[in-house]
Amino acid sequence: DIVMTQTPLSLSVTPGQPASISCKSSQSLLHSDGKNYLYWYLQKSGQPPQLLIYEVSNRFSGVPDRFSGSGSGTDFTLKISRVEAEDVGVYYCMQSIELPPLTFGGGTKVEIK
Amino acid sequence: QLQLQESGPGLVKPSETLSLTCTVSGASITASGFYWGWIRQPPGKGLEYIGSRYYSGNTYYNPSLKSRATISADTSKNQFSLQLSSVTAADTAVYYCARQGVTIFGVVTGYHPWGQGTLVTVSS
Repeated sequence: DIVMTQTPLSLSVTPGQPASISCKSSQSLLHSDGKNYLYWYLQKSGQPPQLLIYEVSNRFSGVPDRFSGSGSGTDFTLKISRVEAEDVGVYYCMQSIELPPLTFGGGTKVEIK
Repeated sequence: QLQLQESGPGLVKPSETLSLTCTVSGASITASGFYWGWIRQPPGKGLEYIGSRYYSGNTYYNPSLKSRATISADTSKNQFSLQLSSVTAADTAVYYCARQGVTIFGVVTGYHPWGQGTLVTVSS
């Protein structure tokens, strides 16, 4: 199985300040087609996860441009340029290059100071 | 607009079989190029892949479930289902259904959209 490791476990951020979450995979997520199959989700309290970023750096429809993703191979980062109150929740990375099983990171809880 | 909705018993006894259905509206589960899958989340914990079913019927399962999971489909009702046998308290979780795409190279993509999820508790 590909193990996805997220850090930190939690973040407390002042509104308007940036935030960064790291996700490392135990194997490369780079496919021969040139894409890295790494996704970012945000799960708000009591809701299902919602897709934020697909294939490392592509914002899903409707996702604010303060969210950005980067990385390749085994190291990936999600950045929020200016955190807003609506960004609180748990962020998960996920790989889909190899299944079964498709695997998720353990999650990073973001809260507002 | 594509929507998915999980349904099924909220309480299952240990050693019995958990059965859930995902009703899909806004798209056909027989449309080519998509997987339909199940994911679960124990209370207060992270997300776990259960399995996926391709539109053609091919299925993948998480090996950690030791062959207890079965995903099937009722195309006449545009539904797909999960059965998980021999459940224990460790199977208590919110169960989500969701759709995945497939690239032209056969790589499965991320989940979107997700159903709202349904909590299943395993207890006598």
